[in-house]
Amino acid sequence: AQTVTQSQPEMSVQEAETVTLSCTYDTSESDYYLFWYKQPPSRQMILVIRQEAYKQQNATENRFSVNFQKAAKSFSLKISDSQLGDAAMYFCAYRKRAAGNKLTFGGGTRVLVKP
Amino acid sequence: KAGVTQTPRYLIKTRGQQVTLSCSPISGHRSVSWYQQTPGQGLQFLFEYFSETQRNKGNFPGRFSGRQFSNSRSEMNVSTLELGDSALYLCASSSGLYTDTQYFGPGTRLTVL
Repeated sequence: AQTVTQSQPEMSVQEAETVTLSCTYDTSESDYYLFWYKQPPSRQMILVIRQEAYKQQNATENRFSVNFQKAAKSFSLKISDSQLGDAAMYFCAYRKRAAGNKLTFGGGTRVLVKP
Repeated sequence: KAGVTQTPRYLIKTRGQQVTLSCSPISGHRSVSWYQQTPGQGLQFLFEYFSETQRNKGNFPGRFSGRQFSNSRSEMNVSTLELGDSALYLCASSSGLYTDTQYFGPGTRLTVL
């Protein structure tokens, strides 16, 4: 079974600074997707960024970028120029391409942004 | 387009009762997935429906069931509620069965007393 691990329960960052969230996963599959979701206090999950395993280029969405290391099964999220609105729980998630839309989530990392 | 909607947003039940939660996907989306979120177990996949058929099922007891209607709206039902069923239930929709992006609703907060 696939597992997703986020080793940092909480991270704190100063406004305008950069923070990196770690995620490792375990799978025997070669074709899959990886995601980072943000869950603010409103509890609605918002997709931040996604990565297709067969693409070597790291995905980027504005201030958010990932470092995808397929061999190491590592998928970290970097938030640049942190803003107060970035404060939330961040979840790393895995989906096997052939497994429908079933997501396997990590335990989450709480990001605190200090003004 | 309107987003994923879930009703009700909050629900309080007592042990032994049953409950039905509803999810309306984004217009045109045919896949609906359900997740349970608790402080202890985190986010866990319950099941996925596509074209009125259950395509995937997580590791939950048979008390948890669901269905999908021809308009893609989905319901999940929990019978004989237990205290441990208290959770945030999230619904997510996507356009197809193997599409890479799911969009989540705001969730239903279920409290079992």
